[in-house]
Amino acid sequence: GNSVTQMEGPVTLSEEAFLTINCTYTATGYPSLFWYVQYPGEGLQLLLKATKADDKGSNKGFEATYRKETTSFHLEKGSVQVSDSAVYFCALRSNTGNQFYFGTGTSLTVIP
Amino acid sequence: EAGVAQSPRYKIIEKRQSVAFWCNPISGHATLYWYQQILGQGPKLLIQFQNNGVVDDSQLPKDRFSAERLKGVDSTLKIQPAKLEDSAVYLCASSREGNYGYTFGSGTRLTVV
Repeated sequence: GNSVTQMEGPVTLSEEAFLTINCTYTATGYPSLFWYVQYPGEGLQLLLKATKADDKGSNKGFEATYRKETTSFHLEKGSVQVSDSAVYFCALRSNTGNQFYFGTGTSLTVIP
Repeated sequence: EAGVAQSPRYKIIEKRQSVAFWCNPISGHATLYWYQQILGQGPKLLIQFQNNGVVDDSQLPKDRFSAERLKGVDSTLKIQPAKLEDSAVYLCASSREGNYGYTFGSGTRLTVV
């Protein structure tokens, strides 16, 4: 079956620190992988995605590389800002259907 | 383009009462999804529509949840009767054919007391 496991939070970092949020997946077939971000009181927003192995998704300084050999899609950012404080969800979408499978989310707080 | 619209934003009801949520997808999006996001968990698909037909409702608790998408545009999700464990954010999403333009609404936060 399809599932996503991501690093548990909460994560608290100082501004300009390096961020890594780990995500691994189990899937049948060849899924697409996503990171979504949810700011307080708002809906899910697509942060980045990768549709095949070795693809790198990037947006707003965040990056994640689709690693088929380790079934991983870790989220990284070199220098976080206070405005990055949010909950981050790793997700996969099976190539056999439109359904998303989400991880449990990782709460990030960045302090000045 | 306008996003996925959901209403109400918040709802508080007592257990055993009924509640309904409304979703208006992005214009032209044939596929509509309802997800349930319990606090501390990731969203879980409840039901998926393609136009006005149900594609997947395998995770919908059909004894108390129902959903419809008349005319293949907007959709309503109903819970009757509500239980305490139904407290969650209910997210609606829509997409064009082939998964393009997959967009989530802001959600309805339901609290059952």
